[in-house]
Amino acid sequence: DADVTQTPRNRITKTGKRIMLECSQTKGHDRMYWYRQDPGLGLRLIYYSFDVKDINKGEISDGYSVSRQAQAKFSLSLESAIPNQTALYFCATSEPQGLTDTQYFGPGTRLTVL
Amino acid sequence: EDQVTQSPEALRLQEGESSSLNCSYTVSGLRGLFWYRQDPGKGPEFLFTLYSAGEEKEKERLKATLTKKESFLHITAPKPEDSATYLCAVGGGSYIPTFGRGTSLIVHP
Repeated sequence: DADVTQTPRNRITKTGKRIMLECSQTKGHDRMYWYRQDPGLGLRLIYYSFDVKDINKGEISDGYSVSRQAQAKFSLSLESAIPNQTALYFCATSEPQGLTDTQYFGPGTRLTVL
Repeated sequence: EDQVTQSPEALRLQEGESSSLNCSYTVSGLRGLFWYRQDPGKGPEFLFTLYSAGEEKEKERLKATLTKKESFLHITAPKPEDSATYLCAVGGGSYIPTFGRGTSLIVHP
């Protein structure tokens, strides 16, 4: 079984709809992240959480919110989806290893907003 | 602000034709430089972490090297299954990695 899972894997929704993307991990890591990936723009950080009580905005948090329900679960919500939120979304986890963290990514959710 | 620039954006090789991918970076206090492989529609897969200039790491046909300003991912005698996008990231003082835009590698049989 995969260490980091994301649901759904694909989602098509309409402008204005609320949508939630879910991430679960069995790696036992405290740190979790949400990224979006657009062609030619690379990975951009939306939100991150270093433990259950810690939530931090990334570089592109506008239009998004998150919930850290447990150490193993981190959800991303789009309160009112818009077409330019169409992208590939990735969840990642990490744990402190000396100087830095190595991140481990989930398989991604492909979101299309019509 | 940490910055990562990868070049070239795209690279086409014939099977067996060795080459290198470049990752140039600026960071305040390097905590680690990461290489990932990403297949289309999938999540990035961790390859290497390098911590200090002069360090090298190898995995099969891949070898990553690090200087104070850049890292190279050398691909020796590549095979079609090495085709993927290769991402570079640096970890600085904020503990949050900064990613480059990646190099798309296609290896033709």
